[in-house]
Amino acid sequence: RKEVEQDPGPFNVPEGATVAFNCTYSNSASQSFFWYRQDCRKEPKLLMSVYSSGNEDGRFTAQLNRASQYISLLIRDSKLSDSATYLCVLNTGGFKTIFGAGTRLFVKA
Amino acid sequence: GAGVSQSPSNKVTEKGKDVELRCDPISGHTALYWYRQSLGQGLEFLIYFQGNSAPDKSGLPSDRFSAERTGGSVSTLTIQRTQQEDSAVYLCASTPVRGGGEAFFGQGTRLTVV
Repeated sequence: RKEVEQDPGPFNVPEGATVAFNCTYSNSASQSFFWYRQDCRKEPKLLMSVYSSGNEDGRFTAQLNRASQYISLLIRDSKLSDSATYLCVLNTGGFKTIFGAGTRLFVKA
Repeated sequence: GAGVSQSPSNKVTEKGKDVELRCDPISGHTALYWYRQSLGQGLEFLIYFQGNSAPDKSGLPSDRFSAERTGGSVSTLTIQRTQQEDSAVYLCASTPVRGGGEAFFGQGTRLTVV
């Protein structure tokens, strides 16, 4: 089983839609969690950290469920500029950073 | 440096040749990662360096691939006897504390084997 699993998509949604991605992880000792965004032909960059209590940044909401070992990212009121690949990332108890393969999102007019 | 620097940005090589890809991480970052990304695909972990510890080489796809990190800073990924399936973008990332914290990526080296 992969340490981090994501649905590769693609998710095709219209502008204004709400879309959610989930990511599951296998190592219960994982300590910190992030969502990264990767634009086409660019390097991944940090989108937001994921806290146990859940956190929100504008249209983006991240949640962590330790009991079920998954994190989620919710995007409300999707914009064309949200089209990208979203990577689930975690740090294990050994402090190694592990990247998921990513979920592709296409937002269409 | 200001960010993670990778060189060359593009490399075209003939099948069977050896190539060396370089990564210069952010100064002071203790952890360094190499990933590979084929066109339209997700990140594929290759190797992880953490300070002076033995590297985690579990992602290297074959013994044609090797990497080293000198003095805890610059890293070189070497691919021997390149094959067409090695064509991909090779991304390097570093993190500021013992593997934790935000990972910063270089812009990658686009390798094309012809």
